[in-house]
Amino acid sequence: DQQVKQNSPSLSVQEGRISILNCDYTNSMFDYFLWYKKYPAEGPTFLISISSIKDKNEDGRFTVFLNKSAKHLSLHIVPSQPGDSAVYFCAASAFFSTGNQFYFGTGTSLTVIP
Amino acid sequence: KAGVTQTPRYLIKTRGQQVTLSCSPISGHRSVSWYQQTPGQGLQFLFEYFSETQRNKGNFPGRFSGRQFSNSRSEMNVSTLELGDSALYLCASSTAGIDHGYTFGSGTRLTVV
Repeated sequence: DQQVKQNSPSLSVQEGRISILNCDYTNSMFDYFLWYKKYPAEGPTFLISISSIKDKNEDGRFTVFLNKSAKHLSLHIVPSQPGDSAVYFCAASAFFSTGNQFYFGTGTSLTVIP
Repeated sequence: KAGVTQTPRYLIKTRGQQVTLSCSPISGHRSVSWYQQTPGQGLQFLFEYFSETQRNKGNFPGRFSGRQFSNSRSEMNVSTLELGDSALYLCASSTAGIDHGYTFGSGTRLTVV
């Protein structure tokens, strides 16, 4: 049962334009959301996160939006650069009695075309 | 500081064999989690260890097991390998906080032939 879903396996965007990556989740217990970026042959690296008490968080060219009522979050990259070409994973976290548990989506492969 | 180190980077095994993968977390990180990444399946959670105890477990068969040592280093073992076990296995470590989630290693690419 995939609790975190990224329904677009791939996305192509022209350099300089906005990239929007989407993520949906099903569990209302999730209280923290993260985006990771993964290059081939490397492990995922943390990009940006957002707490469920916020609806927006910015870090340079990266902005994450959270819509709790729709159980949806999105990552905006503006402007997109060729170096942003990678697989992006969204993740959601919930705290259980045994500690935080992370659930990852299946990833969206972003290609930024020069 | 040093990142999460996984060894070996690449591994080829024959169906039916067993394999052990190793993960050294960032110094001071007590939680170590293991994930399997296959095309189209994203990162699937295997298990998490904290202070030498398995704290959480994903939906994988009993052929997948792990352990954590007192220095927080962790090993993952897969017995009776199947072709479908071919994947990138990622280890991640974290502190008790979640502000930056996990720090991942570069993974071990396992190929079962």
